[in-house]
Amino acid sequence: EDKVVQSPLSLVVHEGDTVTLNCSYEVTNFRSLLWYKQEKKAPTFLFMLTSSGIEKKSGRLSSILDKKELFSILNITATQTGDSAVYLCAVVRAGGTSYGKLTFGQGTILTVHP
Amino acid sequence: NAGVTQTPKFRVLKTGQSMTLLCAQDMNHEYMYWYRQDPGMGLRLIHYSVGEGTTAKGEVPDGYNVSRLKKQNFLLGLESAAPSQTSVYFCASSYSRQGWDTEAFFGQGTRLTVV
Repeated sequence: EDKVVQSPLSLVVHEGDTVTLNCSYEVTNFRSLLWYKQEKKAPTFLFMLTSSGIEKKSGRLSSILDKKELFSILNITATQTGDSAVYLCAVVRAGGTSYGKLTFGQGTILTVHP
Repeated sequence: NAGVTQTPKFRVLKTGQSMTLLCAQDMNHEYMYWYRQDPGMGLRLIHYSVGEGTTAKGEVPDGYNVSRLKKQNFLLGLESAAPSQTSVYFCASSYSRQGWDTEAFFGQGTRLTVV
């Protein structure tokens, strides 16, 4: 059974703060890890990570994967109220049985106050 | 660009009624997924498919059936709806046989209420 655990489950910060969201996973035949942002509708894609140690960056957001320790982090610097959302982490299986299976964690609810 | 389209967007069912949710994608993706999302539960995988004519169970398959007769369509059926199936349903698709990985693209969701 694939397992994706995100922490913290919720986080309240003020504008300008830096936050780190965590995602740990247990999956057979790991293929990739995905981060999404969800604001009351369909999730929107942030990052796809397949290799350890290579940081992906987009504006104030960045993410990195550690395939040895089986976790990823999503950093958001200088947070803004528009960053308030649920952040979802998911893992994709590669080969073997159940390949292609895409399993999500329970999400981290981020609230940014002005 | 259409991407992933779900129909309907909203539906209210009475307990015991049946219905089918349709998901269509125009990106030639191999993999398609159905999720349900309940408050505080993230996205839970119901069923998925890695190609035309194939389906597999996810975490919460009971009470649902699926079919993937055409590559671009993935149907989710509720044979006898129950109030516990009140949820928001999302369809997603990903991966191309051209050898490159893609992120999963999501439909806009279907809000289903069973009374």
